[in-house]
Amino acid sequence: EPEVTQTPSHQVTQMGQEVILRCVPISNHLYFYWYRQILGQKVEFLVSFYNNEISEKSEIFDDQFSVERPDGSNFTLKIRSTKLEDSAMYFCASTPPPGGTEAFFGQGTRLTVV
Amino acid sequence: SQQGEEDPQALSIQEGENATMNCSYKTSINNLQWYRQNSGRGLVHLILIRSNEREKHSGRLRVTLDTSKKSSSLLITASRAADTASYFCATCNDYKLSFGAGTTVTVRA
Repeated sequence: EPEVTQTPSHQVTQMGQEVILRCVPISNHLYFYWYRQILGQKVEFLVSFYNNEISEKSEIFDDQFSVERPDGSNFTLKIRSTKLEDSAMYFCASTPPPGGTEAFFGQGTRLTVV
Repeated sequence: SQQGEEDPQALSIQEGENATMNCSYKTSINNLQWYRQNSGRGLVHLILIRSNEREKHSGRLRVTLDTSKKSSSLLITASRAADTASYFCATCNDYKLSFGAGTTVTVRA
């Protein structure tokens, strides 16, 4: 069964460092998303991506964040200068065409900023 | 915000009992979805109900939607220990999912 894969499963980084979280969405899906979940809290929308551009982003997704689909299969989330409060689980998701249906989530990357 | 808000926050039941959780939201939606999350894992889609539907079933799951009250409920019948997880409702509009805070369900053997 096709699945969304995320790497790494756990990333520890020093405050101020750049991190790149990687995702491989399901191949025929067109809409891609990043969500985050701070420990014990709700799942928060960060950004949606369609047709090689950001379609919507939340107020959390500030200038420190960027997304890219560099090669038609990977979908990456970059945090330029990490802060302690960026520590969270980051989930990638994708939805099949035409969109607005069930989302398929990866297992997440646990980011710990120290 | 059109995020769903679940009620109750936590639920503890005996195996075999039914579990009911509710979700309220604030604005119009295309559909409403329910997801399950086992501790520390990714979210798994359970069921989707469109805005023009009132009830939907999938196995031991029953979902209702009342758009006039902007609310939905998820019923899990004949619960099992494996149903222990957090359950989230998510409203969908313009292809974006907005999640509520979730209900943590513990099923005691």
